[in-house]
Amino acid sequence: AQSVSQHNHHVILSEAASLELGCNYSYGGTVNLFWYVQYPGQHLQLLLKYFSGDPLVKGIKGFEAEFIKSKFSFNLRKPSVQWSDTAEYFCAVMFSGYSTLTFGKGTMLLVSP
Amino acid sequence: EPEVTQTPSHQVTQMGQEVILRCVPISNHLYFYWYRQILGQKVEFLVSFYNNEISEKSEIFDDQFSVERPDGSNFTLKIRSTKLEDSAMYFCASETDGEQYFGPGTRLTVT
Repeated sequence: AQSVSQHNHHVILSEAASLELGCNYSYGGTVNLFWYVQYPGQHLQLLLKYFSGDPLVKGIKGFEAEFIKSKFSFNLRKPSVQWSDTAEYFCAVMFSGYSTLTFGKGTMLLVSP
Repeated sequence: EPEVTQTPSHQVTQMGQEVILRCVPISNHLYFYWYRQILGQKVEFLVSFYNNEISEKSEIFDDQFSVERPDGSNFTLKIRSTKLEDSAMYFCASETDGEQYFGPGTRLTVT
């Protein structure tokens, strides 16, 4: 069955540190890939998405993600995090033939000033 | 910027009672979804809705659940007889161009 996994449940970083959050999925077919962010007390917001084309996608707020098809991965990166990046980050996959999103469990990122 | 809205933000109900969670999708979006997130667990798909009918539903979406688009704007999720395990955050989403836009969620607490 299709699944999405996020490796880190909690990440603590200092401001200006680099960030990489892992996301892997299990599925042999075509996928659309997403990263969502949920700031404290707010709703899920789309950070970036990949449908096709350049596997390196840039999103809002300086985030980027790279789709590596051979590794079934879509890791989220940011070169230098800020305190305001403290939030929960969700990887989500839309598997071909479905219009629904399958989410990973989420990674809670805490950035200390 | 248009947003998906949901009401109420928090609903407390007793086991066995019916609840209706309301959502107003972004106008001119055609696809609508309900997801839920039990505390500490993944966001899970419940049901999708297009052209006034259910297009997909998960195993979670059993006969206790129903969805409706009673007018041109609202999209509702009804749980007929709530159980303790229905306690969760319920998210509505609407979609255009492959992107799903989420509402702020309704926290349902069943006591």
